[in-house]
Amino acid sequence: DAGVTQSPTHLIKTRGQQVTLRCSPKSGHDTVSWYQQALGQGPQFIFQYYEEEERQRGNFPDRFSGHQFPNYSSELNVNALLLGDSALYLCASSALPQGDNEQFFGPGTRLTVL
Amino acid sequence: RKEVEQDPGPFNVPEGATVAFNCTYSNSASQSFFWYRQDCRKEPKLLMSVYSSGNEDGRFTAQLNRASQYISLLIRDSKLSDSATYLCVVKGGDYGGSQGNLIFGKGTKLSVKP
Repeated sequence: DAGVTQSPTHLIKTRGQQVTLRCSPKSGHDTVSWYQQALGQGPQFIFQYYEEEERQRGNFPDRFSGHQFPNYSSELNVNALLLGDSALYLCASSALPQGDNEQFFGPGTRLTVL
Repeated sequence: RKEVEQDPGPFNVPEGATVAFNCTYSNSASQSFFWYRQDCRKEPKLLMSVYSSGNEDGRFTAQLNRASQYISLLIRDSKLSDSATYLCVVKGGDYGGSQGNLIFGKGTKLSVKP
């Protein structure tokens, strides 16, 4: 049973560029949440997708957008990259958007913006 | 005030030591509480949930005090393999639109030395 997978594992971009990160949830999960983890910080919630819609959003600008596909996989898009967007981007999946069910994290995509 | 605050660390302890992590959270409406473990350059993984009655899993004991909005994690007889960053995590309440999602503390790094 594959866990949460993310691609790519590493990415280097320059300021102003756009990036797309991908996530496949754990088998049986239908909810995907995205987090940003800057160096030395805890992960910060970006947004959550369920039934192909953004259900909740954290305190991130509109440059951060996403999508969920019918097979529950998800993409995170960041436009007009800033140096401060350099971070580990984590995807987490769960069986329901609410409730006390565990969120399982993928290995993350490490984004470096130069 | 930050939503979830942890001891700044790092903690450097010898093998066999007992170490305690403390955490406070700001939103009294928070519903669920967890400790996650994150190894260097890896994703966070659930260590244990935290309940008001307290719970124990082998060498690990977690406590929750809702009145004080305080969470703790105790590790007894620490092992070299316990070296990691420990993240205090709160779920639920209304964190500016992030209701039901995970709010992480900054994490406390633990190094267990021989």
